[in-house]
Amino acid sequence: SQKIEQNSEALNIQEGKTATLTCNYTNYSPAYLQWYRQDPGRGPVFLLLIRENEKEKRKERLKVTFDTTLKQSLFHITASQPADSATYLCALDEQKAGNNRKLIWGLGTSLAVNP
Amino acid sequence: DAGVTQSPTHLIKTRGQHVTLRCSPISGHKSVSWYQQVLGQGPQFIFQYYEKEERGRGNFPDRFSARQFPNYSSELNVNALLLGDSALYLCASRGQGLAGTFGSGTRLTVV
Repeated sequence: SQKIEQNSEALNIQEGKTATLTCNYTNYSPAYLQWYRQDPGRGPVFLLLIRENEKEKRKERLKVTFDTTLKQSLFHITASQPADSATYLCALDEQKAGNNRKLIWGLGTSLAVNP
Repeated sequence: DAGVTQSPTHLIKTRGQHVTLRCSPISGHKSVSWYQQVLGQGPQFIFQYYEKEERGRGNFPDRFSARQFPNYSSELNVNALLLGDSALYLCASRGQGLAGTFGSGTRLTVV
């Protein structure tokens, strides 16, 4: 069956440390993988997108890796801050081209950064 | 620039009733997608519209329908509401890029 799995346990880390979140998928062939942040009662906010032919993407303190052999993406937040506390969601898009887009989402991982 | 606007923000309905949720995309965005997010779960794809045509439909019953207007705004309609339809309904608009911009959602509670 098709599955997207993210760290099921909430992640608690100390301010300043690096948070690493995992997204594993089964029986999908994503052309793109996206990471979003979601705060309680709000819509997801786009953070980073990585293509199937890319290994790594960076944006400021954020880094995402994509291993299509392992069927895994890792999302890193370096020098974490309490303001980074939120739920982080990964989403797959199997469409390589065109305007028909459909995201398939994981359940999300809750991150708490303690001061 | 205004982001994606959804209305209403909160709604309480009774089982069996009908509901209409509205979404205004970012100016210039022609694609609108709808997602349902039950508490503690990831969003589930319901519909995508592009240039007023349905481009994708998720695994939802026929009680769910949507449309997109000439100004690219969109409505999601749900008939014969069930308790299980209680969720955060999210709308996302997309322009030329691959990533969408989400609204804050409509929190629907069915009692």
